[in-house]
Amino acid sequence: KAGVTQTPRYLIKTRGQQVTLSCSPISGHRSVSWYQQTPGQGLQFLFEYFSETQRNKGNFPGRFSGRQFSNSRSEMNVSTLELGDSALYLCASSRQASSYEQYFGPGTRLTVT
Amino acid sequence: TQLLEQSPQFLSIQEGENLTVYCNSSSVFSSLQWYRQEPGEGPVLLVTVVTGGEVKKLKRLTFQFGDARKDSSLHITAAQPGDTGLYLCAGASSNTGKLIFGQGTTLQVKP
Repeated sequence: KAGVTQTPRYLIKTRGQQVTLSCSPISGHRSVSWYQQTPGQGLQFLFEYFSETQRNKGNFPGRFSGRQFSNSRSEMNVSTLELGDSALYLCASSRQASSYEQYFGPGTRLTVT
Repeated sequence: TQLLEQSPQFLSIQEGENLTVYCNSSSVFSSLQWYRQEPGEGPVLLVTVVTGGEVKKLKRLTFQFGDARKDSSLHITAAQPGDTGLYLCAGASSNTGKLIFGQGTTLQVKP
C-alpha cells in the first residue's frame, strides 16, 4: 500500500507570495492533518480535515488555510508569506478523525527568502 | 495548555550502550505515541501505548506508559548506529482531539 505523498518536496518562495502544498493520504484514510516543524518550536498542529470538513485547528494565523477534496486529498495554503514561515510542513493521514495513530508523509521543505 | 517535555534533548553515545528517553506532562493523555524521524523524512510511528502501566517491546526498544498516563519512557538496549534519529513522543488529548508533540530527543549513536 502506498504511503502518504506530499508535493512538492522542496519550495523556495519570496516574502509576500503565497504557496499551496498538496497531500495524498494512504488509500482508505479519510483524515488528513497538517503540521509545521521548525527547530525552535518543534512539531505544531495546524489543522485536521475529515470528510472535507475542518475538525480541528491549531493556533496559527488566518494566513494558513486548508481544504480537503472528496477523494480525501488535501491542500494547505499560506498567503502573504513571512520569513518565519520557513519550515518543514508535514501531512499525516489516519483512518478516522482525531485518531492517535497517524502516518506521516515526507514533508515539504518551504524556504521563504 | 497541554505540554509534553522530553529529556534529554540531545544524546550522543557509543554503539552498544543503553539509553532512556523520558516524556513527561502534568496532563493525562488517552494514549501516547513514539515516533522516530530521520533527516529529510517525516516521523514514523514506532508504538502506541494506551493503558496506564503498559509496557511494549519492539526488538531492542522498550516503551512504558506511566500508571497515571501522564508520562512515558523509551529504553534502547545495546544501541546501534541505525538507531540514530530524532525521537518524538506525542500525546493524544481526549479533550481536544489533537496530538501534542514533545520537542524531541536527537540521538546519535557512534560506531
